Amino acid sequence: DAGITQSPRYKITETGRQVTLMCHQTWSHSYMFWYRQDLGHGLRLIYYSAAADITDKGEVPDGYVVSRSKTENFPLTLESATRSQTSVYFCASSEQKNIQYFGAGTRLSVL
Amino acid sequence: QKEVEQDPGPLSVPEGAIVSLNCTYSNSAFQYFMWYRQYSRKGPELLMYTYSSGNKEDGRFTAQVDKSSKYISLFIRDSQPSDSATYLCAMNQAGTALIFGKGTTLSVSS
Repeated sequence: DAGITQSPRYKITETGRQVTLMCHQTWSHSYMFWYRQDLGHGLRLIYYSAAADITDKGEVPDGYVVSRSKTENFPLTLESATRSQTSVYFCASSEQKNIQYFGAGTRLSVL
Repeated sequence: QKEVEQDPGPLSVPEGAIVSLNCTYSNSAFQYFMWYRQYSRKGPELLMYTYSSGNKEDGRFTAQVDKSSKYISLFIRDSQPSDSATYLCAMNQAGTALIFGKGTTLSVSS
């Protein structure tokens, strides 16, 4: 299917575990982004990537790791999950930094 | 002062009403202005995109940008229950990260 897909849609994990959220886009967009969305905070940028092997920090990068070995994939890893990382995570892609297209999100609960 | 301010609502209107959603911003360098619609438990979807100042119309939706006042608006005419969602404004200048408002929750009752 064309577009941007995230997996899994829902994830429950325990504190201290490593978790990887996947993002795949079929548009060959240069830019990809990871956001978290929390009540009272709105969408906050975690990391973004301008191209394969180029990544940069956003507003809230601590505790997260990203990689981009292929243009179409941009996984987000929580190396040691904490309860404060319970959130809804959205991946987005764009050809430039302005108009971004979002995936359906991953709801992550850290117990 | 936050870069982008948006009243969270909730805003409740009857079907057929004209809805006005607004954002203010502080960075006069912003050039690109967007409105996203987000249904419950879904990802944000792009609704309207405007470059610099002026108006843009698409069906029942009109986006306005007033750069002199640092104020943007989204108008929805003849609102429908299917318009019930959270509306996010977003903006940036070329080459910088997109800044989102926190969203306004709209409920349209039939």
